[in-house]
Parts: sequence; structure tokens; C-alpha cells
Amino acid sequence: SYELTQPPSVSVSPGQTARVTCSGDALPKKYAYWYQQKSGQAPVLVIYEDNKRPSGIPERFSGSSSGTMATLTIRGAQVEDEGDYFCYSTDSSFTRGVFGGGTKVTVL
Amino acid sequence: QVQLVQSGAEAKKPGASVKVSCKASGYTFPNYGISWVRQAPGQGLEWMGWIFVHNGDTNSAQRLQGRLTLTTDTSMSTAYMELRSLRSDDTAVYYCARVHTAAGTGEIDSWGQGTLVTVSS
Repeated sequence: SYELTQPPSVSVSPGQTARVTCSGDALPKKYAYWYQQKSGQAPVLVIYEDNKRPSGIPERFSGSSSGTMATLTIRGAQVEDEGDYFCYSTDSSFTRGVFGGGTKVTVL
Repeated sequence: QVQLVQSGAEAKKPGASVKVSCKASGYTFPNYGISWVRQAPGQGLEWMGWIFVHNGDTNSAQRLQGRLTLTTDTSMSTAYMELRSLRSDDTAVYYCARVHTAAGTGEIDSWGQGTLVTVSS
């Protein structure tokens, strides 16, 4: 079955740039989406269609995709950006969705 | 604004079934699908399946096929997820989410608040 692979954790100091990667064989043909989840809360969409930012999401969040890898970038990371980040996409035939395993982002 | 409101927490015994509801508001219900996602304690998000509301087509994760049924009641703008033959490893928070189906992107943009299902003898 189709899988998306993320690193388990990323740690940065406040003000630095955090990058979270997501690799998957269908990403050249399918969009990547990114969700932030804080403890005890439902996920929140922070990037859609590889690189678009929903209204209300700070400009420091950006996304890119090249080949089989998508990347979420948080420029000038802040303490409130700590949480778990999940990438999401679909298989190439649009039959099923799939989430990456999640990356815990620590800002301290 | 888009809202998805789910039914309350459930406690079930192994072998039983659970049915969770998800009432949608703030948008035209048939124009989107509903996806179901679960999260076991301390674990990541697991895509369970989706239903295309306009025609009732469904797809589900292979490991859940045979136990999972997704339905909708368009008159009530409500989606339902039924999981049968529950096991202890089905203990999780279950989320419904709005999914874009028309453009074939599968984008999930809004989530319900989650429903805790606990399976224990």
C-alpha cells in the first residue's frame, strides 16, 4: 500500500527555520497537504496544494514540492509553532488517502 | 463557516459495533465528500476511508475492509461511520473531515472535533 515518509522529529531554536520533509512515490502527480496538530486538538490545515496557505495561517509557513518530496518550511519558528505536523496526499489513482507518520516539531 | 459536529464518546466491548455521526453545516453537503480519520493514543493519523456524498461511492483502507461502513443522510447533512467486530486496538479518537472530491485532489480542509471510542472488556 502507498506510504508517505516523514522524519519523527525536528528541533530548532526560536527564530530559526524548521523544515519538515515528506516523501512518496505519487507526489510528482499528486498534491501534498500539511496539517498542524496540537495536543488534544483536531488537526488544522496549514498548507494545501503543495504551496498554498489558507487564510489565517501566518506567512512564516510555506510549502514546496519537487519530485517525490514535499517540504514544509517554518521561517522564524516561534514557540507556539510546536506540535505534530502531518503530510497527507492520495494515491495516484485517487482511490485512497494517506497520511505520513507525523513529525514532532520542537521550538526551544 | 464550515462546521462538522460529531456524536459523543463511546465505550464498547470487544466484538461489538460502534456508529459515529458527523453533522455538517455551513456549506452545500453534496458538493464535498466526508473522510474518516482515526488516531490511536499517542499515535499518528490513520486514513480510514471516504464517501463521495453526491453519489454514495466509498473507498476504505484495505486493513478495514469488511468491518467499515460509511453512509450519509443528505436530508440531514449527516455522515455516519460504523465499525464492526471491535478490538482493543480500535481504541482511538475518530475524526470526520470534509474532503474535496470534485477536482480529484482529495484535499481535507475542515475537521470535526473528534469522538473517543474506547474498546475494553
